[in-house]
Amino acid sequence: DIQMTQSPSTLSASVGDRVIITCRASQSISRWLAWYQQKPGKAPKLLVYKASNLESGVPSRFSGSGSGTEFTLTISSLQPDDFATYYCQQYNSYPWTFGQGTKVEVK
Amino acid sequence: EVQLVESGGGLVQPGGSLRLSCAASGFTFSSYAMSWVRQAPGKGLEYVSTLSTNGGTTYYANSVKGRFTISRDTSTNTLFLQMGSLRADDMAVYYCARGDTTIVPKGVALDYWGQGTLVTVSS
Repeated sequence: DIQMTQSPSTLSASVGDRVIITCRASQSISRWLAWYQQKPGKAPKLLVYKASNLESGVPSRFSGSGSGTEFTLTISSLQPDDFATYYCQQYNSYPWTFGQGTKVEVK
Repeated sequence: EVQLVESGGGLVQPGGSLRLSCAASGFTFSSYAMSWVRQAPGKGLEYVSTLSTNGGTTYYANSVKGRFTISRDTSTNTLFLQMGSLRADDMAVYYCARGDTTIVPKGVALDYWGQGTLVTVSS
């Protein structure tokens, strides 16, 4: 199985900060990577697919980049609604796998 | 509007069985891949299973292979997950999620998610 490793596990930030979350795959996954946002008690929400495609309705402050084994999710200016946990997921090959999550908390 | 509503969760004893359902609406169910993803209490997301767009191919996580079966009924637009030989580490919220389509492929894995149903495994 392909292992997905996110860093950091926890990130403390303030409103207005630029936030970068990294996701590394144990082998190349081309650009078959998605990012999800999850808030407590809620279902995950798709933010980015195919590494850099923003899902419809997602604010433009979110962006994704990368290919192969290294990927990033960037929030250009953190907003109050963005405090949540973020997961990357590879769908290059089955079984699909998720990163362990990155919790973005208030500094 | 796309809607996915899971049901069937509950308390089951170790070794027992349970069938989860996911009622889909707002899209052409038979043209989409569908998946199950779970989340143990306080833990991260874990992939469980996928049913291909034509319903002919299934994929499973190693942890559930041979114990769980994914299927669908296109006449009722319902996705199922038959779970057997349940263990304590199967306890989780189970989400169904919509995948990509053959109509106009987008290249997504999971774009819409239900609210989940809780499975508790305990004696």
